[in-house]
Amino acid sequence: NAGVTQTPKFRVLKTGQSMTLLCAQDMNHEYMYWYRQDPGMGLRLIHYSVGEGTTAKGEVPDGYNVSRLKKQNFLLGLESAAPSQTSVYFCASSWAGFTGELFFGEGSRLTVL
Amino acid sequence: GQQLNQSPQSMFIQEGEDVSMNCTSSSIFNTWLWYKQDPGEGPVLLIALYKAGELTSNGRLTAQFGITRKDSFLNISASIPSDVGIYFCAGQLPGAQKLVFGQGTRLTINP
Repeated sequence: NAGVTQTPKFRVLKTGQSMTLLCAQDMNHEYMYWYRQDPGMGLRLIHYSVGEGTTAKGEVPDGYNVSRLKKQNFLLGLESAAPSQTSVYFCASSWAGFTGELFFGEGSRLTVL
Repeated sequence: GQQLNQSPQSMFIQEGEDVSMNCTSSSIFNTWLWYKQDPGEGPVLLIALYKAGELTSNGRLTAQFGITRKDSFLNISASIPSDVGIYFCAGQLPGAQKLVFGQGTRLTINP
């Protein structure tokens, strides 16, 4: 019953440090997404992938990179963290033949000092 | 980018009251969805709407896909404490394989 698993759940970084968030799904979903959630801003799409080896930019891609080397994993990287990237990050996945039903992980809270 | 305007941003109600929230956009959407986020969790799908004018219920929840395809509303009847959380509308633009989310409505219930 794992569904979508995000690691780590919490992380504190200093400005300029780098890190990678890992998302893993065990539902054999084709599509995967990274969102960030900020108060009053809702969920904003950072990057997404419609298949292994493919990625695309969302609404707020600057400062982030992603990779989808394996179908079940979607990595979100911050090369040089900034305080503006303090947020809660959510990974989601869905079937191909997109219906709008996304399955979300529990979130990763990132603080950049 | 595309934006969904969701209102109200927050609601403070008494247990047993009915709740209504809505989303509007200047763009036409193929699909409207409503998600709920419990504290410390990721959002979970409540209702999906695929046709203009469609009215769909899920227990005490009722949602409609606006005829113009630019809006949607969600009603919750006879609220209970477990309804507390953040409700998000989301829309799928024609041909898109992703969703645009509204800003969320935070629901607080006084027992």
